[in-house]
Amino acid sequence: GAGVSQSPSNKVTEKGKDVELRCDPISGHTALYWYRQSLGQGLEFLIYFQGNSAPDKSGLPSDRFSAERTGGSVSTLTIQRTQQEDSAVYLCASSLASGANVLTFGAGSRLTVL
Amino acid sequence: GDSVTQMEGPVTLSEEAFLTINCTYTATGYPSLFWYVQYPGEGLQLLLKATKADDKGSNKGFEATYRKETTSFHLEKGSVQVSDSAVYFCALQDGNQFYFGTGTSLTVIP
Repeated sequence: GAGVSQSPSNKVTEKGKDVELRCDPISGHTALYWYRQSLGQGLEFLIYFQGNSAPDKSGLPSDRFSAERTGGSVSTLTIQRTQQEDSAVYLCASSLASGANVLTFGAGSRLTVL
Repeated sequence: GDSVTQMEGPVTLSEEAFLTINCTYTATGYPSLFWYVQYPGEGLQLLLKATKADDKGSNKGFEATYRKETTSFHLEKGSVQVSDSAVYFCALQDGNQFYFGTGTSLTVIP
């Protein structure tokens, strides 16, 4: 596609529910990143995918968070048993290849946990 | 570990004023440096970048120079416009990892 597409743009859920956030990167971009942006905070790295390599999961804050990338394209970030502190904007970014040093971001998915 | 520290906001300026947003970094290697901008309701987009010491990145009237001796990458613009109102993020890339500052909100008033 023309840009990085994320859905939903807004999600309100109740504490304890599971949520799935989707990212559709730019066609041909092999690297995909997920970040979390909380109010007044910088971007917190969550996970990184590069081609068929094992993902770098070092930023996932707990085992309630997981992500997968199917066919080297679309990625889904899943948060299980959501907590109020999970409320944030979740940003996806892609780039042509690792070390290509230009990230293209989606508009983000705003998650609110009540 | 690697990190980026940038000037806290919010910053409010009158149109045509001079802008500086400070950014310093800590890195173990030789990072590339970036400024990203986030306009209201939009995703982050690359504003400018510099990949080695003494390089100057520039775009849309904004400039930043990669200063290895002071580990800085300050963003400047000589005359801001209302349309420059946004949140600005300083970032560094070290290998496959990107590290972002907390963002500086800029509001330009007519």
